[in-house]
Amino acid sequence: AAGVIQSPRHLIKEKRETATLKCYPIPRHDTVYWYQQGPGQDPQFLISFYEKMQSDKGSIPDRFSAQQFSDYHSELNMSSLELGDSALYFCASSPDRVSSGANVLTFGAGSRLTVL
Amino acid sequence: SQQGEEDPQALSIQEGENATMNCSYKTSINNLQWYRQNSGRGLVHLILIRSNEREKHSGRLRVTLDTSKKSSSLLITASRAADTASYFCATVISNFGNEKLTFGTGTRLTIIP
Repeated sequence: AAGVIQSPRHLIKEKRETATLKCYPIPRHDTVYWYQQGPGQDPQFLISFYEKMQSDKGSIPDRFSAQQFSDYHSELNMSSLELGDSALYFCASSPDRVSSGANVLTFGAGSRLTVL
Repeated sequence: SQQGEEDPQALSIQEGENATMNCSYKTSINNLQWYRQNSGRGLVHLILIRSNEREKHSGRLRVTLDTSKKSSSLLITASRAADTASYFCATVISNFGNEKLTFGTGTRLTIIP
């Protein structure tokens, strides 16, 4: 079965550079979530999209932005990168909550960003 | 502060023993979920328990939920080396139709062969 696809899997950037992460949700999943997980930390919710509209916002820095496109894939753009942005970035998707009855997320394998 | 806090933060047991992890949370929830994460990998959904349920089973997993104490526990019976991973509880709070998951700090479980 198709899973959540994230790219790139690994990314190395210098401070103050820009990075873009991509996420392709499971087909027919209408909600996409982005999480950031620092070393030894729990996943922190950044932002989510439902039907291409931002649905919730968490601890996402102003330097970051995200969007969901017409084909439901999502991109997380990070600018003016800082050392502290080094983390695993996870994308997750979930199906329509009304039909599924609960919000169970399927996570991608993550994109590991290293800022030097 | 975290919505979900887990204890212990790390647990090492012998293969074949049972492992119990606990999670506490602060606000009312719609449901609580447990996820597993192998080192550096994505999170995998294990089990969901709704706020009106008290116990749920799935294979070797048993989850309990006590909404009066705002706590949940995950029991893994007859542990195997392959169970070595970090386990996170995640709470779901319905907020005007948005249901994001808020993760706890996780328990790192090591099964010693």
